[in-house]
Amino acid sequence: DTGVSQNPRHKITKRGQNVTFRCDPISEHNRLYWYRQTLGQGPEFLTYFQNEAQLEKSRLLSDRFSAERPKGSFSTLEIQRTEQGDSAMYLCASSPYEGQGVITNEKLFFGSGTQLSVL
Amino acid sequence: AQKITQTQPGMFVQEKEAVTLDCTYDTSDPSYGLFWYKQPSSGEMIFLIYQGSYDQQNATEGRYSLNFQKARKSANLVISASQLGDSAMYFCAMRERNYGQNFVFGPGTRLSVLP
Repeated sequence: DTGVSQNPRHKITKRGQNVTFRCDPISEHNRLYWYRQTLGQGPEFLTYFQNEAQLEKSRLLSDRFSAERPKGSFSTLEIQRTEQGDSAMYLCASSPYEGQGVITNEKLFFGSGTQLSVL
Repeated sequence: AQKITQTQPGMFVQEKEAVTLDCTYDTSDPSYGLFWYKQPSSGEMIFLIYQGSYDQQNATEGRYSLNFQKARKSANLVISASQLGDSAMYFCAMRERNYGQNFVFGPGTRLSVLP
């Protein structure tokens, strides 16, 4: 079990540039989540995938953000025209649940995150 | 309104002693789950313990136990026999059946274990 892997661990970019992060979930996990965490706060939900389908997006996910999971395995999160307010830790999580809907006891396995700094 | 409240921004505990981290939550959904996660300086969120709203008994996982008081809507984490490696941020989180996949986290408590 290699765990959830995220790359890069750190990204420094200039305002207005595009950035892309990658997440490799635990092998064969069906669900994949993206969260954003700012300093001193808990993680905030951004979006989630069930296999390759993106099923839910938070209103925090503006049109500058796009996420994909093309083959139901790894996922990418792209931020276009970055702003200083995008500076945060971006966390990816996966879970093995295959069913539909909300499962209240669903345990998420998190990666170590990508720390984005927009200058 | 905040759905998860953690009123202790920081806590100190002496090594080998027990410590309680507070969590209160707000929901009108009868079906929900409560979680505690640990986040060390490496950044990874580590699952510690889970309590379901219909569970009759308090959850326990090794040195971790959850003091679940449903009527008071509190789900405090108790860490027994603290170790230096327990120093980290601790987050309480909730998943409600009727509110989609939004896994809501509290603001966290930073625990420092003193030698």
